[in-house]
Amino acid sequence: KNEVEQSPQNLTAQEGEFITINCSYSVGISALHWLQQHPGGGIVSLFMLSSGKKKHGRLIATINIQEKHSSLHITASHPRDSAVYICAVLGLNFGNEKLTFGTGTRLTIIP
Amino acid sequence: EAQVTQNPRYLITVTGKKLTVTCSQNMNHEYMSWYRQDPGLGLRQIYYSMNVEVTDKGDVPEGYKVSRKEKRNFPLILESPSPNQTSLYFCASSLSGRYNEQFFGPGTRLTVL
Repeated sequence: KNEVEQSPQNLTAQEGEFITINCSYSVGISALHWLQQHPGGGIVSLFMLSSGKKKHGRLIATINIQEKHSSLHITASHPRDSAVYICAVLGLNFGNEKLTFGTGTRLTIIP
Repeated sequence: EAQVTQNPRYLITVTGKKLTVTCSQNMNHEYMSWYRQDPGLGLRQIYYSMNVEVTDKGDVPEGYKVSRKEKRNFPLILESPSPNQTSLYFCASSLSGRYNEQFFGPGTRLTVL
């Protein structure tokens, strides 16, 4: 079992739908990153979370440390949101800065 | 413009021919890291550096070397490349690692024949 699991692996939705992508992890963590990888391959950092909730535009990220789970939500989805969304976790041990990644969720928004 | 640059962007080489992929950032970041991305396996960390002269292994360091002699540069060295190192490589940097967002380079697609 991977340390970081994402679901779903693939998601197709109509423009305007509310999107939820999930990330579960099996170890204690100190922080979780959400990344977006564009169809051209470039990677952009969306959020870094250590607790609670963050919002940026139409994107919302939440994390529940006790349940070892994070969600990325997209409101009013648009075709330009089509990308691969990747979560990555950072372990508890200070000084160990290794990131462990999920395999990503491929999102396709149809106009 | 704040950015992470990688060179080359594309490289085709042969088994055993030493190569270096350069990575440079202009944001005065302390933390830099190398990742490889493979279909079905996702991103995996190769090496990271918390500061000049401080480097540490990620999950898949075998077959790679790094050095951090200057803050801005973090080259990835393949002393004797093999076909299983064919992959898409990303360099990234952040202000100080742990609680900061990472800025990614554009990627280097390496093919080892």
